[in-house]
Amino acid sequence: EVQVLESGGGLVQPGGSLRLSCAASGFTFRNYAMRWVRQAPGKGLEWVSSVSGGGESTAYAGSVKGRFTISRDNSKNTVYLQLSSLRAEDTAVYYCAKGGSGSSYYVFDYWGQGTLVTVSS
Amino acid sequence: EIVLTQSPGTLSLSPGERATLSCRASQSVSSNYLAWYQQKPGQTPRLLMYGASSRATGIPDRFSGSGSGTDFTLTISRLEPEDFAVYYCQHYGDSLWTFGQGTKVEIK
Repeated sequence: EVQVLESGGGLVQPGGSLRLSCAASGFTFRNYAMRWVRQAPGKGLEWVSSVSGGGESTAYAGSVKGRFTISRDNSKNTVYLQLSSLRAEDTAVYYCAKGGSGSSYYVFDYWGQGTLVTVSS
Repeated sequence: EIVLTQSPGTLSLSPGERATLSCRASQSVSSNYLAWYQQKPGQTPRLLMYGASSRATGIPDRFSGSGSGTDFTLTISRLEPEDFAVYYCQHYGDSLWTFGQGTKVEIK
């Protein structure tokens, strides 16, 4: 059974930093891209970042580029999202999601329960 | 950057009725990279459709998808009580993933 579990959320001041972790199991981790999607309170879904299975390729939404960094440790089946220079508008539930396979590699096929990041003074 | 616009914002229907949800792209996109998700209140999003018209594993056949170019549709043939939720379309292209703003299907 595929499982994805995020951790690391919390309250942080504007300008601060936070590192989110996502531990995955139930599949061959290194073979799949992993991604982060966020959802501000009462709002829709926003893709944040993606990392390829080997970790060599990354992508970011324009709203976080230069401030967030995605990485992964395939020996630990874990993906990370380093959040820096945080702003109030970064307040959201951050979901970690597994990428699909084959022709559907672009989808988010398994999601974690999310971790809440609140940016406030 | 592709913008996905979903309509209507809210759809008020009764169980047993047919739901038709629209997703319009700001420019022509490949249907190969168009997906739909369902999110129930307090829950994680769930993949429904990919490639515009292929159902994900375990998705009942009352859900169907269609479309090409700029216009895509998610249809629920007969609404079940568990189908009342928010639905998002999603596109991938040029290493960017985009979601529509969502359509809420509520009980009338």
